[in-house]
Amino acid sequence: ILNVEQSPQSLHVQEGDSTNFTCSFPSSNFYALHWYRWETAKSPEALFVMTLNGDEKKKGRISATLNTKEGYSYLYIKGSQPEDSATYLCASNYGGSQGNLIFGKGTKLSVKP
Amino acid sequence: SQTIHQWPATLVQPVGSPLSLECTVEGTSNPNLYWYRQAAGRGLQLLFYSVGIGQISSEVPQNLSASRPQDRQFILSSKKLLLSDSGFYLCAWGGQGQHQPQHFGDGTRLSIL
Repeated sequence: ILNVEQSPQSLHVQEGDSTNFTCSFPSSNFYALHWYRWETAKSPEALFVMTLNGDEKKKGRISATLNTKEGYSYLYIKGSQPEDSATYLCASNYGGSQGNLIFGKGTKLSVKP
Repeated sequence: SQTIHQWPATLVQPVGSPLSLECTVEGTSNPNLYWYRQAAGRGLQLLFYSVGIGQISSEVPQNLSASRPQDRQFILSSKKLLLSDSGFYLCAWGGQGQHQPQHFGDGTRLSIL
């Protein structure tokens, strides 16, 4: 059974703190690893799609790394802001071009001003 | 630009009643389409996906069905709802290919009484 694990489940930080989350996924039959940000009362928003071992992607203050051999990805947020408060989801694509995703339960980030 | 519409936003239904949730996509052709559900305390679970008109694949055995009568229309249905069908339902579309992110609708909160 394919399973995607995220840790921690929740995180509370102060404005300006840097933080990171972990996503663990099955390293076999790997096609791609997705990160999404899901703000309250909004729909999930794609952050990154990563495919290559050692890949690193960046979008503003948010970056992510990928290790496909050991099956983990890290998401980093530098200098957290209150608007970064959201649930961050990772998902592993196990369906190839069909795009079937298995999602983790997410890490809920709260940034206090 | 591409947009995805999903309705209704909330729905309260009695056990045993039928269900129809609709999702439409604009601004793209031949998208992959997906229905997800988030049950209480769980991550997003893929229910159905479709790679073309009339092509539906089910990921989990369940009380629900899906149809794709048009290229950019995806419908989630049930003949008789169960209490266990309660949850938050999200429709999403993605481009063809394993590297494509998915784009989500605003979701439907379904409560079964």
